[in-house]
Amino acid sequence: QKEVEQDPGPLSVPEGAIVSLNCTYSNSAFQYFMWYRQYSRKGPELLMYTYSSGNKEDGRFTAQVDKSSKYISLFIRDSQPSDSATYLCAMSGKGGATNKLIFGTGTLLAVQP
Amino acid sequence: NAGVTQTPKFRILKIGQSMTLQCTQDMNHNYMYWYRQDPGMGLKLIYYSVGAGITDKGEVPNGYNVSRSTTEDFPLRLELAAPSQTSVYFCASSYTDTKHPEAFFGQGTRLTVV
Repeated sequence: QKEVEQDPGPLSVPEGAIVSLNCTYSNSAFQYFMWYRQYSRKGPELLMYTYSSGNKEDGRFTAQVDKSSKYISLFIRDSQPSDSATYLCAMSGKGGATNKLIFGTGTLLAVQP
Repeated sequence: NAGVTQTPKFRILKIGQSMTLQCTQDMNHNYMYWYRQDPGMGLKLIYYSVGAGITDKGEVPNGYNVSRSTTEDFPLRLELAAPSQTSVYFCASSYTDTKHPEAFFGQGTRLTVV
């Protein structure tokens, strides 16, 4: 079983739609949960991160973590064509060998104008 | 503000050739990573380092070697290039500081083995 599983997509939505991106994980040592955005032919860039369980909001983006279900989500409200990219979830533990980042396979999102 | 710098950006290798992908960071991060990304796929961890002189294998280390003699540099060595190593390679670095767990990435090296 992979440590991190991500819905592969691709996902195509009309402009203004609400987008839901999801990952599940198996390693209960994970404490940090991140979402990266990667535009074509570029390196990934951090979008937002959450420590442990709970929600975090940043503008149109909301990250949710449910540690009891080992499930994380990223919601994008009022999606824009500029949100078209690959979204990667990533997780790490608190320290030592568990601090290495493990990524999901990414979900390709296309927002149609 | 350079961040993570990778060289070269592009490279074509013949089967059996060797090369070193360079990675340098100027943020004084202790953790450094090498990932590969195949078309339409996520990032797979090749090797990582928790500090100078310490390296460890990731998910897909076969065919690669690394060294970490300084905090800033983390080169990735391919000894006998194979077509299966055609990929985009990303170097990244991060703190262990629990307030800043995120990794910062370079722009990638596109490698083709023919």
